[in-house]
Parts: sequence; C-alpha cells; structure tokens
Amino acid sequence: EAGVVQSPRYKIIEKKQPVAFWCNPISGHNTLYWYLQNLGQGPELLIRYENEEAVDDSQLPKDRFSAERLKGVDSTLKIQPAELGDSAVYLCASSLSGQGEAFFGQGTRLTVV
Amino acid sequence: QKEVEQDPGPLSVPEGAIVSLNCTYSNSAFQYFMWYRQYSRKGPELLMYTYSSGNKEDGRFTAQVDKSSKYISLFIRDSQPSDSATYLCAMSKYGNKLVFGAGTILRVKS
Repeated sequence: EAGVVQSPRYKIIEKKQPVAFWCNPISGHNTLYWYLQNLGQGPELLIRYENEEAVDDSQLPKDRFSAERLKGVDSTLKIQPAELGDSAVYLCASSLSGQGEAFFGQGTRLTVV
Repeated sequence: QKEVEQDPGPLSVPEGAIVSLNCTYSNSAFQYFMWYRQYSRKGPELLMYTYSSGNKEDGRFTAQVDKSSKYISLFIRDSQPSDSATYLCAMSKYGNKLVFGAGTILRVKS
C-alpha cells in the first residue's frame, strides 16, 4: 500500500513569489493534515480536513496561506506571497477519522531567498 | 508552558544500551499517544501507537503511558547505530489534531 505522497520534495523561491505544495493521502483516509516543521522543533498543525471540510484552520495564516481538498482526496497548500520566515518543512499526514494514528509524507522543504 | 514537553537532548549512548525517552503533557483529555522516528531530511515515521494507559511492546521498542502522571516513555533495547534519529512524541484527543513534543535527538555510538 502506498504511503502519503508529497511533491515537490524541495522548492527554492524568491520572497514575494507564490508556491504550492501537493499531497496525496493514503487511500481511504478521511482525515488529512498539513503541518509545519521548523528546524529543531516538532511539527505544528496548519490545517486539518475531514473529507472536504476544513475542521481546524485556526493556525493557518489566512492572509497568505490557503488550502483546498477537492473531492476529499488530494490536497494543495499555497503560499502567496512567500516571506523569508516561511522557510521550513511542510508535512502532510493522513489518518482514519477520529484516530490519532497519523502517517506522514516525506515533506516539502521550502527555502525562501 | 507547552502542552507537551520533551527534552531535546542530544542523548548519546553506546551501541547495545537501553534508551529511555520521555515526554510530559498537561492536557488530561489526551487519549492517543504516539512515538515517531524522524531521520534527517525525512518525514516522521510512526513507531508506536497506544490508546489510553498501559504498555505496548513491538520488537526492541516498548511504549508506556501513565495517564495519572501525564507521562509517556519509549524504551529501546539493544540500541543500534541505525536507531540514531530524532524521536518525537505526539498525542491527541479523539477526532482532534496531533500535538507534538519538540523531539529528542538520539545518537547511538558504535
């Protein structure tokens, strides 16, 4: 069974440019998470989906970040415009609804220069 | 104060040693407890998953949850150089987000 797939693995952009990350969760997993991980820290939640619905986006900086999960499967996270402080690893994870057992993708390492 | 506290280390041990990794937490509503292993430039890999209190063993790994003390542990027996990684504890309430510790860096010396 395929795990959580993310792309791209690495991205380098100039500040003020837009960037998008894509995630394909494990088949059958209703819950999808986007986490942000800074160097030396644990992941922190950006947004959580139950099927197509964003049920927790309280930590998402909505002035520049947006996310969607069309048809309750794949998801895209976008940043526009990117700032230097957005340099981090963006992790996608999925789980069965309500269960804490979440599986992560390899992440997208973003560098904003 | 963070919801989940974890000593960042680094923790350095000789090959074959027993390793003890720990986290404390403040939210008594947490029901699900997990340990993830993360190698450099990789995503977190789920190692152990426990519901509520008790012990769970899987090969060289044992996870313990003490809800009365709000304390969880991961023990690694016969540690190997390949165990060198960052270990993240995580916990959640039913139907809610995972809250992570900062991670402990483990180095196993051959």
